[in-house]
Amino acid sequence: EAQVTQNPRYLITVTGKKLTVTCSQNMNHEYMSWYRQDPGLGLRQIYYSMNVEVTDKGDVPEGYKVSRKEKRNFPLILESPSPNQTSLYFCASSWIRVHNSPLHFGNGTRLTVT
Amino acid sequence: TQLLEQSPQFLSIQEGENLTVYCNSSSVFSSLQWYRQEPGEGPVLLVTVVTGGEVKKLKRLTFQFGDARKDSSLHITAAQPGDTGLYLCAGEGGSSNTGKLIFGQGTTLQVKP
Repeated sequence: EAQVTQNPRYLITVTGKKLTVTCSQNMNHEYMSWYRQDPGLGLRQIYYSMNVEVTDKGDVPEGYKVSRKEKRNFPLILESPSPNQTSLYFCASSWIRVHNSPLHFGNGTRLTVT
Repeated sequence: TQLLEQSPQFLSIQEGENLTVYCNSSSVFSSLQWYRQEPGEGPVLLVTVVTGGEVKKLKRLTFQFGDARKDSSLHITAAQPGDTGLYLCAGEGGSSNTGKLIFGQGTTLQVKP
């Protein structure tokens, strides 16, 4: 089954404790992206990757890192999480021409930073 | 910075009513997508519109892309409880294939039986 898998689904952590949210897709998509979703703000893009070893900042990249060493994986790293990074995070993937193919989303990771 | 403004943000209607959700911007988009999201899940694509003035239908849902490619609308005819969810519009910014997809704030729709 074609899917985007995020782990974990839920994560509670404390300020400053490094964490990684994993994302993996099995559709051989070139494009992958991370979003955060907050009430009233919709989905805001954190980072995206057009292909292996190519990453770019989205609209809200501060406090986040990503890497794209393999086509299927696109982990999101929070080196020193803060409470304002409490949010619902989504990973998504698609073929390279975004507007000609759908974004496939994972089921989300709900992160709470205390 | 390109922005997409959705309206209304919340909509609660009775089954059988019609509704329209708007997605507006002052910027031109090369394409615009509509997604629907249910609680506990990621958004799922409903439609992509690419050409100014384009109209696409998906059963009781009608999507329109403005002539100037700055706005879009989603019209639902005879809404059903199964239409309940969060509707999101998303535009590909600037020239095509940039990788930056901008989302509106979303419209939460509740259809009561």
